[in-house]
Amino acid sequence: EIVLTQSPGALSLSPGERATLSCRASQSVISSYLAWYQQKPGQAPRLLIYGASSRATGIPDRFSGSGSGTDFTLTISRLEPEDFAVYYCQQYGSSPTFGQGTKVEIK
Amino acid sequence: QVQLVQSGAEVKEPGASVKVSCKASGHTFTNYAIHWVRQAPGQRLEWMGWINGGNGNTKYSQKFQGRVTITRDTSATTAYMDLSSLRSEDTAVYYCARGRGDYDYVWGTYRNWFDPWGQGTLVTVSS
Repeated sequence: EIVLTQSPGALSLSPGERATLSCRASQSVISSYLAWYQQKPGQAPRLLIYGASSRATGIPDRFSGSGSGTDFTLTISRLEPEDFAVYYCQQYGSSPTFGQGTKVEIK
Repeated sequence: QVQLVQSGAEVKEPGASVKVSCKASGHTFTNYAIHWVRQAPGQRLEWMGWINGGNGNTKYSQKFQGRVTITRDTSATTAYMDLSSLRSEDTAVYYCARGRGDYDYVWGTYRNWFDPWGQGTLVTVSS
């Protein structure tokens, strides 16, 4: 099983700042089969990025994904108030697994 | 738009079974897989298995093999997840999600991201 480790566990930032979230895999993720999700309290996860760098339909371009192999990054260029949430990465190159999440909170 | 609507919250005693439903609309049910993912308090999201909406083939996570059964009713465009021998550690929110992406014909498995997700069903296991 591929273990995904996200860092940092929490990020305190102000609206307008840039957020950089990391997801590291215990072994290489084939074909960059990596997705990112946003989850707000009491809601289901929402797809942001798939294929490591492709934005899902309707996702603002302030969200971008990059990386390959074992190291992936989600960047939010300028935080909006609605972006404060928990973010998860998921690999789907083998049996799907998720990271433990990064909480982006208001400073 | 594509929507998945799940059944309501359940409270079960240890040793019992629970069956959660997931009704799909807005897409051709038989063209996609439906996956089940759970989220226990303080734990990461955990994939449980998938069902092919067309032919009904299934694949389960090794962790749940023998305890989970995923079925579907194509006429009702609904998928079901049945989890047996419940214990307190099974207390969690259970989600269904539509799979998107590839099917690997060599390994006989989906390479899917999940979009959209159902609203979640809280299952509480308590005596």
